[in-house]
Amino acid sequence: DSGVTQTPKHLITATGQRVTLRCSPRSGDLSVYWYQQSLDQGLQFLIQYYNGEERAKGNILERFSAQQFPDLHSELNLSSLELGDSALYFCASSVGSGPGLAGGGDTGELFFGEGSRLTVL
Amino acid sequence: AQSVSQHNHHVILSEAASLELGCNYSYGGTVNLFWYVQYPGQHLQLLLKYFSGDPLVKGIKGFEAEFIKSKFSFNLRKPSVQWSDTAEYFCAVNARGRDDKIIFGKGTRLHILP
Repeated sequence: DSGVTQTPKHLITATGQRVTLRCSPRSGDLSVYWYQQSLDQGLQFLIQYYNGEERAKGNILERFSAQQFPDLHSELNLSSLELGDSALYFCASSVGSGPGLAGGGDTGELFFGEGSRLTVL
Repeated sequence: AQSVSQHNHHVILSEAASLELGCNYSYGGTVNLFWYVQYPGQHLQLLLKYFSGDPLVKGIKGFEAEFIKSKFSFNLRKPSVQWSDTAEYFCAVNARGRDDKIIFGKGTRLHILP
């Protein structure tokens, strides 16, 4: 058990719909990362939040948005869903702000949840 | 932008064989490098990492990786694999001093035959 909780584990919905995926980081972790995993694209970095603020952005579509709340849990909102959005969405948390800018002050280790499998029909 | 290539998508080995999984990254600056593993039915977990210092890094379960800066590579090795090493392995890179993104490769599925 990594200590990172993601809900729901499975979700089936139709094209055009909107869903919200939730992530609770490990106790004490301030950063939350979101990744999308599909068979052909591998693990794609979407976005990172640190202590409530957006820290880094990856290949996140405009139809997708995320936020991190004061209690540090995070939500990923996916709207106007398309068939191609079917994937496994992972959340990960880390202690600090990330390994890049903090340097030696951050271990850089990510703790992953078990993922939310989204199927769009 | 940084990127990671893992050239072996599927690898099948027999127990006791030696393992080397390739990882190349593209980024001209200083990097932090990681290998993560996902065992069947489990979450991804850190195997080892390189930030600085000795380019030969030792991780858990007998794995090691060597950072070769001139080749932009961070290959994962294990001298003698076990059936329990069956898993998917992901290489990841972070551009140190630039941002906190951790970019993953597409992964290598390793299947060990008993």
